[in-house]
Amino acid sequence: NAGVTQTPKFQVLKTGQSMTLQCAQDMNHNSMYWYRQDPGMGLRLIYYSASEGTTDKGEVPNGYNVSRLNKREFSLRLESAAPSQTSVYFCASSEGNRGLYGYTFGSGTRLTVV
Amino acid sequence: EDQVTQSPEALRLQEGESSSLNCSYTVSGLRGLFWYRQDPGKGPEFLFTLYSAGEEKEKERLKATLTKKESFLHITAPKPEDSATYLCAVQPQSRGGSEKLVFGKGMKLTVNP
Repeated sequence: NAGVTQTPKFQVLKTGQSMTLQCAQDMNHNSMYWYRQDPGMGLRLIYYSASEGTTDKGEVPNGYNVSRLNKREFSLRLESAAPSQTSVYFCASSEGNRGLYGYTFGSGTRLTVV
Repeated sequence: EDQVTQSPEALRLQEGESSSLNCSYTVSGLRGLFWYRQDPGKGPEFLFTLYSAGEEKEKERLKATLTKKESFLHITAPKPEDSATYLCAVQPQSRGGSEKLVFGKGMKLTVNP
């Protein structure tokens, strides 16, 4: 019963460095999402994937790219990290049929860009 | 634009002191309204989904209700373990099968023993 697994849990990057945040779910969910959470801002959608093979921009996509590698995995890439990307990143998944049980979230990746 | 506003931003209660959290929303067609609980350092945990005005859901000391413009999370006789941040989110009508959620900023609840 792993649910949604995110790696790494913590990361410190220097400005301009790149990295990929990994996310995998074992619930056979169709849809997957990447959110960022900042103090006073709430959760904001970066990118989502309604189904395997599709990806779409959310509210704050600039500076990020995503890959839906297969049905289980959805990765988020920062090509050139900036201090404004310091945040907590959450991956989530859902069934894709009215979201009867809402999202299942991972435990988050805490990213600091210095 | 779809929007969710939660109030108050923070709330301190004494153990046993009942209260309600408010979530007001504007959305272009509501597919569902969700409540989540988030503990420090963890991801949000699903609590309830409400789909239509008048609907109510209960779980232990929590009861969620929905009207056409807002939702309430009622906490009856809270305990210290109910301390957490409570998030409200709406799912707008959309095509394509995904269930994008729009979240409020959250409400931090502290229950003192």
